[in-house]
Amino acid sequence: SQKIEQNSEALNIQEGKTATLTCNYTNYSPAYLQWYRQDPGRGPVFLLLIRENEKEKRKERLKVTFDTTLKQSLFHITASQPADSATYLCALDKSSYKLIFGSGTRLLVRP
Amino acid sequence: NAGVTQTPKFRVLKTGQSMTLLCAQDMNHEYMYWYRQDPGMGLRLIHYSVGEGTTAKGEVPDGYNVSRLKKQNFLLGLESAAPSQTSVYFCASSYSGLEQYFGPGTRLTVT
Repeated sequence: SQKIEQNSEALNIQEGKTATLTCNYTNYSPAYLQWYRQDPGRGPVFLLLIRENEKEKRKERLKVTFDTTLKQSLFHITASQPADSATYLCALDKSSYKLIFGSGTRLLVRP
Repeated sequence: NAGVTQTPKFRVLKTGQSMTLLCAQDMNHEYMYWYRQDPGMGLRLIHYSVGEGTTAKGEVPDGYNVSRLKKQNFLLGLESAAPSQTSVYFCASSYSGLEQYFGPGTRLTVT
């Protein structure tokens, strides 16, 4: 069955460093991949979408890569800030209109 | 724009009781979704709708029913609540079926 894996251990980094989060998937060839941010007690917020024919996408301090051969996406936050601390979810299109979400990786940015 | 709103924010039910969760969106989106989020399991799709008057089953539909009588509203019903339905419920909407906009969530406890 289709499976998405995100590191369940929290990523703890120093302010100013680059945070890199990983999303791996198996038994699937998605047309696109999305990243969401979720703060405690709140709903997820859409950040970026990358399509299967795009290698990389950027938005301000965020960068996403999509390697369909490795079946992996990397999510980078450059010059990280304590305000970037949150859980980050990746999601793949299961079929038309539907997404499968990973369980997320918690990012902690220390001042 | 209020975006996606959910009612209520919190609820405690006894086993066997019924309730309805209301989701409303003011973005004129065609697609609407109900998810549940449990620790370590990520978001799981319960039911979804691709337009007014339509509904479809998601990944975990058992024990839930939905209705979409108006384009802006998507109702989730629990006919006979069970402790296994203790969870945080999120509603989401989407214009294209790609990026999704989430509500703030409803925390439900079934005792």
